[in-house]
Amino acid sequence: QVQLQESGPGLVKPSGTLSLTCAVSGGSISSSNWWSWIRQPPGKGLEWIGEIYHSGSTNYNPSLKSRVTISVDKSKNQFSLKLSSVTAADTAVYYCARITSGYWGQGTLVTVSS
Amino acid sequence: SYELTQPPSVSVSPGQTARITCSGDALPKKYAYWYQQKSGQAPVLVIYEDSKRPSGIPERFSGSSSGTMATLTISGAQVEDEADYYCYSTDSSGNHPNWVFGGGTKLTVL
Repeated sequence: QVQLQESGPGLVKPSGTLSLTCAVSGGSISSSNWWSWIRQPPGKGLEWIGEIYHSGSTNYNPSLKSRVTISVDKSKNQFSLKLSSVTAADTAVYYCARITSGYWGQGTLVTVSS
Repeated sequence: SYELTQPPSVSVSPGQTARITCSGDALPKKYAYWYQQKSGQAPVLVIYEDSKRPSGIPERFSGSSSGTMATLTISGAQVEDEADYYCYSTDSSGNHPNWVFGGGTKLTVL
């Protein structure tokens, strides 16, 4: 059973960079799957941020593309998210997932505040 | 940008059939996925590739797709099915697909 676990700071200052890592266990990140980041602001719906393949190919949400970088570390079986120039609007629960297979982490709340 | 449109809310009595729709221009060509999310929990996949049910999901959950609309049907809805439901799909962009979630539908069973 594939399991995913998000980790990273729960508080980021405005204009800073949000950095999260997703550790994958029970399966290889080099399998033929796309690995995604999703976020959910408090009380709001789900928003797809982007995805990465083990080869390093990425697809991003056009509305976030200028600020997002997703990378993969096959040696550690994990992938990461960086979101730059954050504002309070980026406060959300951030999930990593293999969306179309139904594997999700439990999510981590990131608050943008000084 | 691509959008998937869902009704904000659906309400049924226990035992009735609940239908939640998802409208999108690319749905004739792209699969729809359906997620259930209960308060404070991560989403759970209930339907994939329009109509397939993952193991462990009750048979009362079914999915269909016709033209630009996908539908999640809960036959004989139970109180425990009360949750937010999201559809998920992609546009038809070739090399760089844009995946989107619908706005979500709050299902009330009472």
